[in-house]
Amino acid sequence: GENVEQHPSTLSVQEGDSAVIKCTYSDSASNYFPWYKQELGKRPQLIIDIRSNVGEKKDQRIAVTLNKTAKHFSLHITETQPEDSAVYFCAASSYGNNRLAFGKGNQVVVIP
Amino acid sequence: NAGVTQTPKFRVLKTGQSMTLLCAQDMNHEYMYWYRQDPGMGLRLIHYSVGEGTTAKGEVPDGYNVSRLKKQNFLLGLESAAPSQTSVYFCASSLVSGTNEQYFGPGTRLTVT
Repeated sequence: GENVEQHPSTLSVQEGDSAVIKCTYSDSASNYFPWYKQELGKRPQLIIDIRSNVGEKKDQRIAVTLNKTAKHFSLHITETQPEDSAVYFCAASSYGNNRLAFGKGNQVVVIP
Repeated sequence: NAGVTQTPKFRVLKTGQSMTLLCAQDMNHEYMYWYRQDPGMGLRLIHYSVGEGTTAKGEVPDGYNVSRLKKQNFLLGLESAAPSQTSVYFCASSLVSGTNEQYFGPGTRLTVT
């Protein structure tokens, strides 16, 4: 089955700087790649996703890039703010698959 | 719309006791999932359902059973709780398939002593 890995496990950034989290996946058939954000004590929520027919998708300060050849995708957060402090999970799936394979999560800490 | 709700929010069990966690969604979603979340382990899939009356095993199904008698409800049962089942349990639902957004419930924090 699909295996998704995230690096680094913890990332500390100064407020206003950019944060980048990278995920790798193993199944070349995967074509859907969402990112979930989980604030402390809260439920995970989808913040952005990308499908394999595009290489990049942007929504305000967040963007996701996909490299199908290398089988990795990344979350980019620009102009980080304290409310960006959370755990971020990447995941992967493919059409016809009934579930998502989640990575173990990255803790992002934005230092004011 | 309440979205995805879970009952109870917190529970403490003694080893060997049983309990049922209830998940309900009002979005008419076909797919429902149960995950457990432990520190450093991410979200691990316990069981899932692709429609009313169906269930399937995820990656960590041992010690748990599930039922989906109604489309809107997905029940997770622990027949004989063990300390290793201390965790935060999240239910999620999605419209169809694994390539749609999953909506998560608020979670249930379970402690087994």
